[in-house]
Formats: sequence, structure tokens, C-alpha cells
Amino acid sequence: SSELTQDPTVSVALGQTVRITCQGDSLRSYSASWYQHKPGQAPVLVIYGKNNRPSGIPDRFSGSSSGNTASLTITGAQAEDEADYYCNSRDSSVSHPNWVFGGGTKLTVL
Amino acid sequence: QVQLQESGPGLVKPSETLSLTCTVSGGSINSYYWSWIRQPPGKGLEWIGYIYYSGSTSYNPSLKSRVTISVDTSKNQFSLKLSSVTAADSAVYYCARDIHYYDSSGYYQGNYFDYWGQGTLVTVSS
Repeated sequence: SSELTQDPTVSVALGQTVRITCQGDSLRSYSASWYQHKPGQAPVLVIYGKNNRPSGIPDRFSGSSSGNTASLTITGAQAEDEADYYCNSRDSSVSHPNWVFGGGTKLTVL
Repeated sequence: QVQLQESGPGLVKPSETLSLTCTVSGGSINSYYWSWIRQPPGKGLEWIGYIYYSGSTSYNPSLKSRVTISVDTSKNQFSLKLSSVTAADSAVYYCARDIHYYDSSGYYQGNYFDYWGQGTLVTVSS
């Protein structure tokens, strides 16, 4: 199956900007979606499509894509942004629908 | 506001079948896709499969031989059955609404999960 690769850990100083990336061949064909996941809670959708934020998601979250890489950027990271972040897309290596998640990135806000 | 709630046994014996139900409230199950996703302890998210309200399904190839997802529109519920479970199937299981979107020409662009249940921990152990 097509894989999505994320850096396992990323850190950012409070108030600074951080980019979390997701790499995979399927991203050349399909858009990614991004989820914030805190312990004991359900994952929360933060970005979908080219750069769409669901209602209630702060505008410091943005998304972009180039080639085989999708990125989630947090501009002015806050303490409450500390969480695991997962990307998701369709597997382009098979004809039938198969969704895949990246391995996740643990974001630490220093 | 759409809400999803998983229910089912928290403990399943090895080789038996795991059965979970997701109840959708605050909206209709009709006209949407619905997915099951799981997270083993200490690991990442894994998509299990989806069902359209009409009953069509798609499953993760790695689980396809053991998975059945069904829907009951009269109850606004969909369900997961995973057979021949082992300890590797121990995980928090989530249900989620699965939105598929297309460009102006009708070509598939991507999907996203916009509403999730709180998750239910299922442990496989004798």
C-alpha cells in the first residue's frame, strides 16, 4: 500500500511557527487531511483539501501541498497545540478506495 | 451538531469476533459515508473500512478478510465485525463520518473525517 511518512517528533517554541510535513506518492494525486489528537480524546479535523479549516479551528492552522508533500503549518503555536498530528489521504497504489494515515508527529510546545 | 457514540464489549477472547456499533445522533446517517478507525496502544491511527448509507463498502486490504461493516438506517447506526481476533487487534476503536469530495469536473479529490466518536477501548485477552 501507499505510505505516508511523517517526522515522529517536532518541537516549537511558544509563539513561533512550526511546519509538520507528510510525504507520499499518493499526495501527487489526492489532497491530505490533518487531525490533531490529544490523549484520551477523539481526533479533531484541523485542515482538509487545499487549505480548508472546519468551523472552530483557529486561523493559525493552515495547510499547503507541493509535489509529494503536504504540510500543516501552525503560525504562533500555543501551549494547547501540543498534541499528535496525523495526515490522511487515499492510497493511490490500488484501484479501490483505501485510506491511509501517516505515522503521526508528536508536537511539543516549549 | 452530529454526535457519534461507539458501543460494544470492552473485552473479547482470542479467535472470537469483535462487534461494535456506532450510533449517530443530531443528524441522519443517509447520504454519507461512515468509517471505522482504530489506534492500538502506543501506535498510530489505522483506517479499517467504510460503508455508504446505501450499503456499499470498502475495507483496508490488510484487514479485508476479517472485516464486515453493515448499516441500519432505521436505527441511524452502523456496525463493525472483526473476526478471528488476536492481541494485535487490541485498540481504541473510533467511528467517524467520512466525507468524500470532488472537483468541478467530478473527479475525486480527497476525503476527511469531520465527526468522530469518543472511542472505545477493546482488549483481546483470554
